[in-house]
Amino acid sequence: DSGVTQTPKHLITATGQRVTLRCSPRSGDLSVYWYQQSLDQGLQFLIQYYNGEERAKGNILERFSAQQFPDLHSELNLSSLELGDSALYFCASSPGLGQGSNTIYFGEGSWLTVV
Amino acid sequence: DQQVKQNSPSLSVQEGRISILNCDYTNSMFDYFLWYKKYPAEGPTFLISISSIKDKNEDGRFTVFLNKSAKHLSLHIVPSQPGDSAVYFCAASAGFGSARQLTFGSGTQLTVLP
Repeated sequence: DSGVTQTPKHLITATGQRVTLRCSPRSGDLSVYWYQQSLDQGLQFLIQYYNGEERAKGNILERFSAQQFPDLHSELNLSSLELGDSALYFCASSPGLGQGSNTIYFGEGSWLTVV
Repeated sequence: DQQVKQNSPSLSVQEGRISILNCDYTNSMFDYFLWYKKYPAEGPTFLISISSIKDKNEDGRFTVFLNKSAKHLSLHIVPSQPGDSAVYFCAASAGFGSARQLTFGSGTQLTVLP
C-alpha cells in the first residue's frame, strides 16, 4: 500500500459525459501528479500540483482539468469524453517538487471506460 | 516523439535464469533513470534507480546498467523468480525543481516461467 488513495477504481460512462477522479496523497506529501496510461502506451504525465498550485503541465487535453484543494486532495475532471479517453488514470504524490527521485508514490489507478 | 523507448513489449524467461530488460532514450539532458514495477490492479512501485554519474547500480537481485554514449540502460534480474512477473517501466528525468518531470517508456511485460 503506497498510501495514495484513488477513487473510483472503475468507472464506465458514455461519450460526451463528464467524470471526476479523486486522489488523496500520502500523508505529508505536497505534490500530486496525474498520469494517463492507455493501451500500448507508457505512463503519460498530465499535470502536477504542489501545495494547491499548478506547477507543471504535460500532455493534458483542454477538455481535462485538475485542481488541488486546501486539504491537498486532488481531482481530475474529464469532460466531453471520447472513446479514446478510455485509460487507466494514475495519481501519484511526493513530498517535494521534482519527480526525479524515488520519492514518488503511485495510487492503484482509476480505470475509465468510455462507451 | 517518444523520448524513452522500451522496444520489447514482452519477455519470457525461465525461473533461475537472468532477465534483461532494455530501455533507450533520446534526450541527452536526462540525468536520472528509474525502473518501476507494476503488478496487475496495482500502481507502479519504485524498484531501482541510477544517476548519470554512475554506470551501474546494484540492489540485491536487481542491477541497472547505464551506457550514456549509447543512451541505453538495462535492468538485470538474477536469478529471476516467478514473483518477478510484472510490467517493468523505465523512466528518465531532467530539469530542476518542478520542471523535473519523469518521462516513462511504454513498459515491458516480464513473465518468469516456473
